[in-house]
Amino acid sequence: GAVVSQHPSWVICKSGTSVKIECRSLDFQATTMFWYRQFPKQSLMLMATSNEGSKATYEQGVEKDKFLINHASLTLSTLTVTSAHPEDSSFYICSAPKKTVFYEQYFGPGTRLTVT
Amino acid sequence: AQSVTQLDSHVSVSEGTPVLLRCNYSSSYSPSLFWYVQHPNKGLQLLLKYTSAATLVKGINGFEAEFKKSETSFHLTKPSAHMSDAAEYFCVVSPNTGTASKLTFGTGTRLQVTL
Repeated sequence: GAVVSQHPSWVICKSGTSVKIECRSLDFQATTMFWYRQFPKQSLMLMATSNEGSKATYEQGVEKDKFLINHASLTLSTLTVTSAHPEDSSFYICSAPKKTVFYEQYFGPGTRLTVT
Repeated sequence: AQSVTQLDSHVSVSEGTPVLLRCNYSSSYSPSLFWYVQHPNKGLQLLLKYTSAATLVKGINGFEAEFKKSETSFHLTKPSAHMSDAAEYFCVVSPNTGTASKLTFGTGTRLQVTL
């Protein structure tokens, strides 16, 4: 298999501050990574596609200036929630595709963000 | 375009009885289909995947699913439920284009297993 890590696993921040979440592919390279958010008892909603060496692609309705994505290297993508508000509190999950016979997505363990 | 419909938001079974979680899909492509499981406050774990090979797919922990193109279904089954199977299950579709495509998630089915 392949391993994707996220850091931190949970974070509490005050309203108005910014929080950075890291997603790393530990044993493979990923030119593309995906960021999802999940509200309690709901499904995962794709927020954006992170592309190494180019701008991220955001899904409709996701504010790109609020959720800054940087794909710094072939193994690291970061999501920064800027000027966080309580409604940004959620579970954020990243995934990275690895090609064997076909592309399979490997998911990180998620980051629980609570904005107070 | 692609979409996934999980027909039951909540399923409750007794330990030792069969599990059936239903999923229907829609895709413009010949899709890849997946079932993922998520335990509380945890990430997602792949149970099994269909990628245009055998239509009956066996996964981990005794789960299996059958791809039925005529019914556009990919239902997840297990002969005998265990308490540890209690979790949220997601049916997921991806275009089988050979590229790192976006996944589309169903709304999830919460499986409850009782004694």
